[in-house]
Amino acid sequence: QSALTQPASVSGSPGQSITISCTGTSGDVGSYNLVSWYQQHPGKAPKLLIWEVSKRPSGVSNRFSGSKSGNTASLRISGLQAEDEADYYCCSYAGSSTFEFGRGTKLTVL
Amino acid sequence: QVQLVQSGAEVKKPGASVKVSCRASGYTFTGYYMHWVRQAPGQGLEWMGWINPTSGGTNYAQKFQGRVTMTRETSTSTAYMDLSSLRSDDTAVYYCARDPIVGAIGGHFDYWGQGTLVTVPS
Repeated sequence: QSALTQPASVSGSPGQSITISCTGTSGDVGSYNLVSWYQQHPGKAPKLLIWEVSKRPSGVSNRFSGSKSGNTASLRISGLQAEDEADYYCCSYAGSSTFEFGRGTKLTVL
Repeated sequence: QVQLVQSGAEVKKPGASVKVSCRASGYTFTGYYMHWVRQAPGQGLEWMGWINPTSGGTNYAQKFQGRVTMTRETSTSTAYMDLSSLRSDDTAVYYCARDPIVGAIGGHFDYWGQGTLVTVPS
């Protein structure tokens, strides 16, 4: 197993939209719709944002949305706000009841 | 409300073992798989494995097989993660995280413990 590929950093201005990609292989992201996304602020536990590619838990803002095409999943954040500045991680089922995370993306709100 | 409360920070010598606990409350402990995830300082999240609290069945990431043991005590709604032969690169915050699909593996984690820092000095 190797970590899913995410950009190390992305940035955007308040009100703008950004997209974070998560690239895997046909053995994980490409074969299963079990991709989830997490937001982590410094010193805090991760928070679930998206599950099963595009489903949003209750209480999560609809500014967060997920999608997938082939071996790449994406998280889109619209209407950027200062509090969105955090680290973001994708996670995918990788077969044999195992999972793997992406290396993480640091979002900076300019 | 659902809560996962983990044991306190540990400092261990290389070669030793550590056992981290995760006490669940606010839901039926045996109804939901529990995963363990770790995060080295300044690094990303790393999935370690899961335990089925009903059967005690487990599945571990290949990287940790032979060194990790996940167990549970249903009478106290507590999950445990035991990591042996500790090395300096095992220094990390260890989290327990609940899988929200009843009786199955959904592959996402809705509630997380507060994390337990395990330090293994080099």
